[in-house]
Amino acid sequence: QKEVEQNSGPLSVPEGAIASLNCTYSDRGSQSFFWYRQYSGKSPELIMFIYSNGDKEDGRFTAQLNKASQYVSLLIRDSQPSDSATYLCAVLNQAGTALIFGKGTTLSVSS
Amino acid sequence: NAGVMQNPRHLVRRRGQEARLRCSPMKGHSHVYWYRQLPEEGLKFMVYLQKENIIDESGMPKERFSAEFPKEGPSILRIQQVVRGDSAAYFCASSPGRGTDTQYFGPGTRLTVL
Repeated sequence: QKEVEQNSGPLSVPEGAIASLNCTYSDRGSQSFFWYRQYSGKSPELIMFIYSNGDKEDGRFTAQLNKASQYVSLLIRDSQPSDSATYLCAVLNQAGTALIFGKGTTLSVSS
Repeated sequence: NAGVMQNPRHLVRRRGQEARLRCSPMKGHSHVYWYRQLPEEGLKFMVYLQKENIIDESGMPKERFSAEFPKEGPSILRIQQVVRGDSAAYFCASSPGRGTDTQYFGPGTRLTVL
C-alpha cells in the first residue's frame, strides 16, 4: 500500500513568520510531487509541483524535494492569515494515473 | 477559460436511491479523475478515465459504483443503492495529458445520504 504521511497539525505560526510543512512518501519510484491548499468546504487548489531534487521557488512558496530521503516539504514565507488552510501533499503513482494524498496539515496563521 | 465544472454542487439522497454526479473537464483536457473525501479523511483516488475508456479503476468500490466518460458530454460517476457511508465530497479533476500533467480540481459535489 503506497502511503503519503503528513503531520496533521494544527501548525500555528504568527503573521509574517515562515511556515514549514513536511511530507514523506513510501514509494521510492515516485517521480512527481504536488502541494495543494484546501480551505474548509472548498476544493483542492494547486500551489506547486516539483519533479527534481532540490528547491523550487514561486513567490512566497518554496517546495523542497529529497528523493533519497523520500521527503517533500513546503515553506511559506511571510505567512498571512489568508494562508490559514489545510495543505495537502500528493504523490503521483508510478503509472501516472492517480494522485496519492496525505491527510493534510492544518495551518493557522494568527494576526 | 472555464475551470472544471461539477454538478450538482449538493445532492441529497435517501438510502437505496441512485446518485449521479457529473463532471465537465477544463477546455482542452481529455483526462478525468474522480476522488472521494470522506469526513475527517484524506482524498482518495477512485477512477481515471479518458474519452470512452476507463484507464484505472483501482480505487472504485467493487459494487454499486460505476463511471463513464462518453464521447460527447460530461463524465458521470454513478452510485446505485446509496448507503449512509457514501456521504462524502466527490471531486473531479482533469488534466491535458497523463503522467506528470497537473490535475486541476472542480468544486466538488457534496453527497448526503439520509
